[in-house]
Amino acid sequence: GQNIDQPTEMTATEGAIVQINCTYQTSGFNGLFWYQQHAGEAPTFLSYNVLDGLEEKGRFSSFLSRSKGYSYLLLKELQMKDSASYLCAVMDSNYQLIWGAGTKLIIKP
Amino acid sequence: DVKVTQSSRYLVKRTGEKVFLECVQDMDHENMFWYRQDPGLGLRLIYFSYDVKMKEKGDIPEGYSVSREKKERFSLILESASTNQTSMYLCASKFPDSETGELFFGEGSRLTVL
Repeated sequence: GQNIDQPTEMTATEGAIVQINCTYQTSGFNGLFWYQQHAGEAPTFLSYNVLDGLEEKGRFSSFLSRSKGYSYLLLKELQMKDSASYLCAVMDSNYQLIWGAGTKLIIKP
Repeated sequence: DVKVTQSSRYLVKRTGEKVFLECVQDMDHENMFWYRQDPGLGLRLIYFSYDVKMKEKGDIPEGYSVSREKKERFSLILESASTNQTSMYLCASKFPDSETGELFFGEGSRLTVL
């Protein structure tokens, strides 16, 4: 079956760096997505990786290794507003999205 | 600013009632989706539509139907609501040829079935 694994919850300190991991087993691969979802709000797009390597976008970076079925989202200089759930999703060979359950990130002062 | 609007943020219905969840997008997107989001589970696709009058079953279509009479509007229908349909329902849309495949989500409709 198809599976996306990410930690349920993580805690980090304001100003620090946190890495949220995502491992996947899917039938085919056509890209990996990260979304941010604040409590009670819509998920919003953060990043898309289809080739191996690191994509940097401001304080957020996303890494992909297709051979290892692995991605991470790196958040630097954490701010309180980064407290949210982070959703990992993989597009399979049928161009359907398979979603992880999300990682709830708690930022402490 | 792009926008996906879901008609009701919170609904409480009784078992057996018919429920309509409306979703409207103003981005001229061809593709529209309905997901449900439950604690501890990833988003699960209920139905999707690639164009007006078209609909395709997702992973969990049982107990649901959809309507896409106009490009901008995609409705989810629960013919006879049951307690196991208590959930957060998310509508999303995108361009079919989007380079990143980015989905634009509505803020969700939290449905409670008593």
